[in-house]
Amino acid sequence: IAGITQAPTSQILAAGRRMTLRCTQDMRHNAMYWYRQDLGLGLRLIHYSNTAGTTGKGEVPDGYSVSRANTDDFPLTLASAVPSQTSVYFCASSDSTGSTGELFFGEGSRLTVL
Amino acid sequence: GQNIDQPTEMTATEGAIVQINCTYQTSGFNGLFWYQQHAGEAPTFLSYNVLDGLEEKGRFSSFLSRSKGYSYLLLKELQMKDSASYLCAVQDSNYQLIWGAGTKLIIKP
Repeated sequence: IAGITQAPTSQILAAGRRMTLRCTQDMRHNAMYWYRQDLGLGLRLIHYSNTAGTTGKGEVPDGYSVSRANTDDFPLTLASAVPSQTSVYFCASSDSTGSTGELFFGEGSRLTVL
Repeated sequence: GQNIDQPTEMTATEGAIVQINCTYQTSGFNGLFWYQQHAGEAPTFLSYNVLDGLEEKGRFSSFLSRSKGYSYLLLKELQMKDSASYLCAVQDSNYQLIWGAGTKLIIKP
């Protein structure tokens, strides 16, 4: 593993189903983030974690949950998927919080909810 | 509210120079980032400005004027591989990143 790995890279999901997007980093970064990217809109923060054991809500948290049991992993769960959650999801990390930390992004997970 | 504005799309010619503008209105300011994103790929970091002025890095330069809430990314000697979207993001007073929708740059031979 080098950098940030997301899985799956693409998924088609029936509405109402539960889905977990996985994110793992090997850079020992403290901060991790989940964004969604939709056409014509900027990246929107869903949830974040400044350090293992803590999480926070971003701009669009409804319908999503996260956990941060350790430094490396930051899964995003959709408890009951809806079509409006069709998007490309990016996990990111940085080695500092509340400062000038550059973000490192995973390759993205393209999710389609039918 | 917080807002980042940048042009939706720009076209330029290979070998030329292009300037991509970004204006912002945010609750506080702790820095401005530019990221490059090729189609179907993840964003990658290009530059960071926190003080007024020009930061040069090879063919790419980024300028910031905090009093005007304005930045630009300048790309010189354009290459076909520069065809991508360029994302402007501002760190607000809570160090949260506010992202623009991105500028799609099309390079023509």
